Amino acid sequence: AQKVTQAQTEISVVEKEDVTLDCVYETRDTTYYLFWYKQPPSGELVFLIRRNSFDEQNEISGRYSWNFQKSTSSFNFTITASQVVDSAVYFCAFPVNAGNMLTFGGGTRLMVKP
Amino acid sequence: GAGVSQSPSNKVTEKGKDVELRCDPISGHTALYWYRQSLGQGLEFLIYFQGNSAPDKSGLPSDRFSAERTGGSVSTLTIQRTQQEDSAVYLCASSQGGGRGETQYFGPGTRLLVL
Repeated sequence: AQKVTQAQTEISVVEKEDVTLDCVYETRDTTYYLFWYKQPPSGELVFLIRRNSFDEQNEISGRYSWNFQKSTSSFNFTITASQVVDSAVYFCAFPVNAGNMLTFGGGTRLMVKP
Repeated sequence: GAGVSQSPSNKVTEKGKDVELRCDPISGHTALYWYRQSLGQGLEFLIYFQGNSAPDKSGLPSDRFSAERTGGSVSTLTIQRTQQEDSAVYLCASSQGGGRGETQYFGPGTRLLVL
């Protein structure tokens, strides 16, 4: 089966703390893609990043960084110096069925308190 | 440019009524997707369009659900004889060509409440 697991359902941190959101995936494919989306209280899913399985370099974008490790089938997301505006539900996702349908993890609700 | 738009943003209906949800994808995107987000089921895929064709309808939960796309652009998701378990947020997404691993961009969703 191809699936994505986000074991952390809810995380609460105080502003300026660093926080890591875990994502573990299962696939038999040798080539695949992984995504992270953010869903703020407004409800819209906002695309954050796409990685392909050929590229294991860590990615950094401002306060956000992603650690992709094929050896452990993980694609973890770290927010450095968290801010209240980072409060949202974060989803890891994985295309299946020839890449058309996204299957999502259960999401991690991040609450950043001032 | 403009993102994916959906209408209505909220819909309240009575059990047994039909509803139509509309999605306007990003201009030029040939692939369009419908998903449903509910408390108990998380985010679920419903249907995928490439142009006006729907090669993957595997996620439609019952024959009360149907969707069409016209002119390779706007799509309508229709739920007939709505049930309370249909209450959810219906999300539409589009991608440029529908190829493997393409980024899907989501609209704001339609919140459907069936009383």
